[in-house]
Amino acid sequence: AQSVTQLGSHVSVSEGALVLLRCNYSSSVPPYLFWYVQYPNQGLQLLLKYTSAATLVKGINGFEAEFKKSETSFHLTKPSAHMSDAAEYFCAVREYNNNDMRFGAGTRLTVKP
Amino acid sequence: NAGVTQTPKFQVLKTGQSMTLQCAQDMNHNSMYWYRQDPGMGLRLIYYSASEGTTDKGEVPNGYNVSRLNKREFSLRLESAAPSQTSVYFCASSVRGRGTGELFFGEGSRLTVL
Repeated sequence: AQSVTQLGSHVSVSEGALVLLRCNYSSSVPPYLFWYVQYPNQGLQLLLKYTSAATLVKGINGFEAEFKKSETSFHLTKPSAHMSDAAEYFCAVREYNNNDMRFGAGTRLTVKP
Repeated sequence: NAGVTQTPKFQVLKTGQSMTLQCAQDMNHNSMYWYRQDPGMGLRLIYYSASEGTTDKGEVPNGYNVSRLNKREFSLRLESAAPSQTSVYFCASSVRGRGTGELFFGEGSRLTVL
């Protein structure tokens, strides 16, 4: 079964600094990969998704992620952090022939002024 | 523009009590899901319904039952609640279960079992 590992349960950056949230996946077949964001007391909302059309995927709010098959990674980046980016971020994977989506444990991003 | 609606938003139960979490979506999606979210463990899939009339177990189905009442509604039932079921429960839906379809989430139901 597919699975996701997010390295680092907490990441802290200064406002204006680079954001890098790490995600590695395990899948026996080509995967579809997703990043979701969760603000306090809310549900998850989609940031971006990889669907095999392009390895570099751009999402909302200036985030992007690059699919690297050789490294089984799908790390999320943003060049310049904003205070409003403080939230919890989840990486998720779904195999192309499977119904369920599996999530990582999440990374809480803190942005310092 | 409701999307996915869950009720109730908060519930406190005593051990052994039963309850049902309700979920409805108005996006004409085929697939619906129930997840639980616990600190440090992310979201874990309890049950899903790929289409109306079908349900399947996810990672953590023990202690739960589900009903896909119609295309819009997917309920989660706890027959005899246990403290280990204290969690935040999320319902989600997607256009289709397979492939690239992303999930759309409700705002969650926070359940405490004493």
